[in-house]
Amino acid sequence: GENVEQHPSTLSVQEGDSAVIKCTYSDSASNYFPWYKQELGKGPQLIIDIRSNVGEKKDQRIAVTLNKTAKHFSLHITETQPEDSAVYFCAPGGYNKLIFGAGTRLAVHP
Amino acid sequence: NAGVMQNPRHLVRRRGQEARLRCSPMKGHSHVYWYRQLPEEGLKFMVYLQKENIIDESGMPKERFSAEFPKEGPSILRIQQVVRGDSAAYFCASSVQDRNTEAFFGQGTRLTVV
Repeated sequence: GENVEQHPSTLSVQEGDSAVIKCTYSDSASNYFPWYKQELGKGPQLIIDIRSNVGEKKDQRIAVTLNKTAKHFSLHITETQPEDSAVYFCAPGGYNKLIFGAGTRLAVHP
Repeated sequence: NAGVMQNPRHLVRRRGQEARLRCSPMKGHSHVYWYRQLPEEGLKFMVYLQKENIIDESGMPKERFSAEFPKEGPSILRIQQVVRGDSAAYFCASSVQDRNTEAFFGQGTRLTVV
């Protein structure tokens, strides 16, 4: 089955700094690459996604880059704010289901 | 357009009882997924259903767990004879199609077995 790994597992930054989270996957058939944000007591919320025919996508302070050859994609958050503090999950997939990574706990300190 | 609705939000059951978790997908969505999340862990896929069909149940435990998505009404995840290890947050997601598309999650049902 699909093996998904996220790094780092925890990340602590100062407000205004950038944060980068990397996700590696094993299934070469994966062609959809989303990132979800989960706040305490809530369900995961999609923040950005990319499909396999695109190398990079940006939405304001958030960007995702994909290297399909190396089977990894990364989440980039610039100008971090305290409200960015949450757990972030990558969930590469294709047909039928998303396989979630173990998550990265991001703490943004004022 | 209401999001994915799950109920109850919190459910307490004694060992040996049955737990029924409900999920109403977003309007127009015919694909439903159930995930389980243990504390401090990621979401583990359980089952994928379309209306009246189970498409992929590779993540479902072999015993005591079942899921359905009838033609009318919400999807139901049923856990019979619950044990303490079933305590977790159960999330439902829905999507409009099965390929390369956003899955919208509900707020989850937190099951506690005492």
